[in-house]
Amino acid sequence: NAGVTQTPKFQVLKTGQSMTLQCAQDMNHNSMYWYRQDPGMGLRLIYYSASEGTTDKGEVPNGYNVSRLNKREFSLRLESAAPSQTSVYFCASSEMIAGGSTDTQYFGPGTRLTVL
Amino acid sequence: AQSVAQPEDQVNVAEGNPLTVKCTYSVSGNPYLFWYVQYPNRGLQFLLKYITGDNLVKGSYGFEAEFNKSQTSFHLKKPSALVSDSALYFCAVRDRNYGQNFVFGPGTRLSVLP
Repeated sequence: NAGVTQTPKFQVLKTGQSMTLQCAQDMNHNSMYWYRQDPGMGLRLIYYSASEGTTDKGEVPNGYNVSRLNKREFSLRLESAAPSQTSVYFCASSEMIAGGSTDTQYFGPGTRLTVL
Repeated sequence: AQSVAQPEDQVNVAEGNPLTVKCTYSVSGNPYLFWYVQYPNRGLQFLLKYITGDNLVKGSYGFEAEFNKSQTSFHLKKPSALVSDSALYFCAVRDRNYGQNFVFGPGTRLSVLP
């Protein structure tokens, strides 16, 4: 049981390049999330997927796209990377509980992205 | 709108002493409250949560937190700190009536000195 896995662990891009961050979970969770972590700002939600087939914008979605490929996988794409997107990116998943609410989030190890 | 404040960037405590990491929140409805810990170069790990019921919540590694509705606080505590508790701690809140959006505080760095 690996929990939440993310690839790659590190990436360096040049401005304007594109890339996709991969995330997979093996806990059979319905909901998945992408966050970015910047110093002194905590985690900010980029996009989330409440269930397979749905995605919604979070606090900072500009410059990103997501795909919920199936129940296990949720990818984050940067179409044209900018230096402002230099950050650590975390994927998380959580279970749906009674009433449609979601419970505790479980996080992957993160991807450290630098855009030059 | 939801928000979380962690008023201290850094907390220093001697090993064996009690520790407190503060968190206050703002939501329009009733909150779900969480504490997470992050060790260097790792993802966040769940410590404890308040959903409903008893205001004192016990979690992993001897940590506990008290939900105080009147003060809108959810401070994290431990009776006797360990050097291995040194890490970055995040408080998070979700409004029960506001969908999936979790809001995290900026984090508090805890240093436990031997």
